[in-house]
Amino acid sequence: GEDVEQSLFLSVREGDSSVINCTYTDSSSTYLYWYKQEPGAGLQLLTYIFSNMDMKQDQRLTVLLNKKDKHLSLRIADTQTGDSAIYFCAESGSSASKIIFGSGTRLSIRP
Amino acid sequence: KAGVTQTPRYLIKTRGQQVTLSCSPISGHRSVSWYQQTPGQGLQFLFEYFSETQRNKGNFPGRFSGRQFSNSRSEMNVSTLELGDSALYLCASSLAQRPYEQYFGPGTRLTVT
Repeated sequence: GEDVEQSLFLSVREGDSSVINCTYTDSSSTYLYWYKQEPGAGLQLLTYIFSNMDMKQDQRLTVLLNKKDKHLSLRIADTQTGDSAIYFCAESGSSASKIIFGSGTRLSIRP
Repeated sequence: KAGVTQTPRYLIKTRGQQVTLSCSPISGHRSVSWYQQTPGQGLQFLFEYFSETQRNKGNFPGRFSGRQFSNSRSEMNVSTLELGDSALYLCASSLAQRPYEQYFGPGTRLTVT
């Protein structure tokens, strides 16, 4: 079945790069997404990558996709305190309109 | 363009009651999806509506139902509430075309006592 897994916590020093990893099981996924959730808020789409791409860069965000290993990562350069949030990896699954989310990675920033 | 709005933002109900939550999508978005978010189970897909028809459904009991109106606004209903239904219910809208970017509302926090 469809499943998306992430580590639960990540702590980085302010100014360093953060790398959040995700693995998924559905090889038919066409799109993979990264969402950000701040306390008390809904989810905000950060970026997405099409399954035939290896990498996508968008300002401080870099997404890497290893389709063979079904591994997705999100790199945040120059991590700031405002980046503290829960980051969700998601895939479009067998039905493009049904999005399957991982459990989320809580990113905390150390001064 | 206004974002996705959900009403009410907070709700307290008693076991056995029923509840209706509302979601207004971004103008022009015809797809509305609902998710339940809990600390233990994370984000779970409830259902998706497109043009007033349920197009996808997650693994939830029949107590959870929804509908979509001709203006794309959607409601979800939970009957015979249980303590375990306490959660943040999120609604997301999209254009229903690739890459299926979903835009989320702030959620409705439901507490069942």
